[in-house]
Amino acid sequence: QKEVEQNSGPLSVPEGAIASLNCTYSDRVSQSFFWYRQYSGKSPELIMSIYSNGDKEDGRFTAQLNKASQYVSLLIRDSQPSDSATYLCAVKSTGNQFYFGTGTSLTVIP
Amino acid sequence: EPEVTQTPSHQVTQMGQEVILRCVPISNHLYFYWYRQILGQKVEFLVSFYNNEISEKSEIFDDQFSVERPDGSNFTLKIRSTKLEDSAMYFCASGGLPGGRYTDTQYFGPGTRLTVL
Repeated sequence: QKEVEQNSGPLSVPEGAIASLNCTYSDRVSQSFFWYRQYSGKSPELIMSIYSNGDKEDGRFTAQLNKASQYVSLLIRDSQPSDSATYLCAVKSTGNQFYFGTGTSLTVIP
Repeated sequence: EPEVTQTPSHQVTQMGQEVILRCVPISNHLYFYWYRQILGQKVEFLVSFYNNEISEKSEIFDDQFSVERPDGSNFTLKIRSTKLEDSAMYFCASGGLPGGRYTDTQYFGPGTRLTVL
């Protein structure tokens, strides 16, 4: 069974701080990794994709991938109250099947 | 900005009835997906569809489920005989442009909430 694990949280950070979200996955041959944001009652919204080991930055968001450790993370700098949501880690396994984690609930406190 | 649309937004049905959930993917996208999310649980992959056929399906996608792309724009999920446990939010997603480097980036529709009574 291919698994994607995330701490469910809740994670609370003060406004302006860095939020750090972590994800591990079980399928070693996975090649594509994604972070989605999901507000309550809404659909997942793509934040970032990452395919290679290392860091990838997009605005206030940085994704980090370590395939040897089977670990993906998302850093949110200068966190804003509007960042309060559930963050979903998703992994594409072989073929065209995707696995999602249960999500980490983030609350940014003004 | 183009987006995935889904209808209806909420569907209520009786156990044993057939339902069809409809999606209009983003134009020119090549890959189409259905997911479900039971309330409070994770997003679960059901099926992916490419080049007019299923490319992958999960264990959840059993014989009671089917997908179709009846014309150039719609993508449907049919559940033949609904069960109570089929109650969930169903998301359609699409992705992958012709000649695009990354074909596995997906954009989700707003979802259809299915309630089976």
